[in-house]
Amino acid sequence: QLQLQESGPGLVKPSETLSLICAVSGGSVSGSPYWWGWVRRPPGKGLEWIGIIHYTGDTYYNPSLKSRVTMSVDTSRNQFSLKLSSVTAADTSVYYCTKAVGVTASSLIDYWGRGTLVTVSS
Amino acid sequence: ENVLTQSPGALSLSPGERVTLSCRASQSVWSNYLAWYQQKPGQAPRLLISGASNRATGIPDRFSGSGSGTDFTLTISRLEPEDFAVYFCQQYGSSPYTFGQGTRLEIK
Repeated sequence: QLQLQESGPGLVKPSETLSLICAVSGGSVSGSPYWWGWVRRPPGKGLEWIGIIHYTGDTYYNPSLKSRVTMSVDTSRNQFSLKLSSVTAADTSVYYCTKAVGVTASSLIDYWGRGTLVTVSS
Repeated sequence: ENVLTQSPGALSLSPGERVTLSCRASQSVWSNYLAWYQQKPGQAPRLLISGASNRATGIPDRFSGSGSGTDFTLTISRLEPEDFAVYFCQQYGSSPYTFGQGTRLEIK
């Protein structure tokens, strides 16, 4: 059974870069046609799709966040990561890592991590 | 972007009852790429339905999805105690892939 586990600082200062890692167990990040991604939920609000990455390096990002988002895959450690730069309080959210399956970016999320809360505050 | 609106926002029902949840899109969902998920407190969301009507592996047949275009529904034919949770829909047909705000199903 595939499992995803998010990790990273729970508190980030405004203007700094949020960095999260998702460790994958029970499967390989190098599998295809798998996409690895991130979704977030701000407090009291709905879910927001951040983006996805294939182990080959192909990425698709939400246009609203594209200028600040970088995703990467580390096949040697079987994990993938999210970096979100220039954060503000509006980036405070529960961040979920996800696995999706599909031959294009229109891929179905079939596994989620439990999520990790990241608060942006000085 | 394709905005998904779920209704109702919350519902109180008893085990054994039948429930239908709605997810309406502001634009037609490409190829009916509409998924439903269940989330319980402290747990990861679980995929229930993909492609509007295809049950995911291991999902009981009391869960069914239907609809096309802009109107989709999730039906639970007979509620079990473990079904009380939050349900949300997602369209994965066109970027950005958007979510409904969720329906909270509570025990009466």
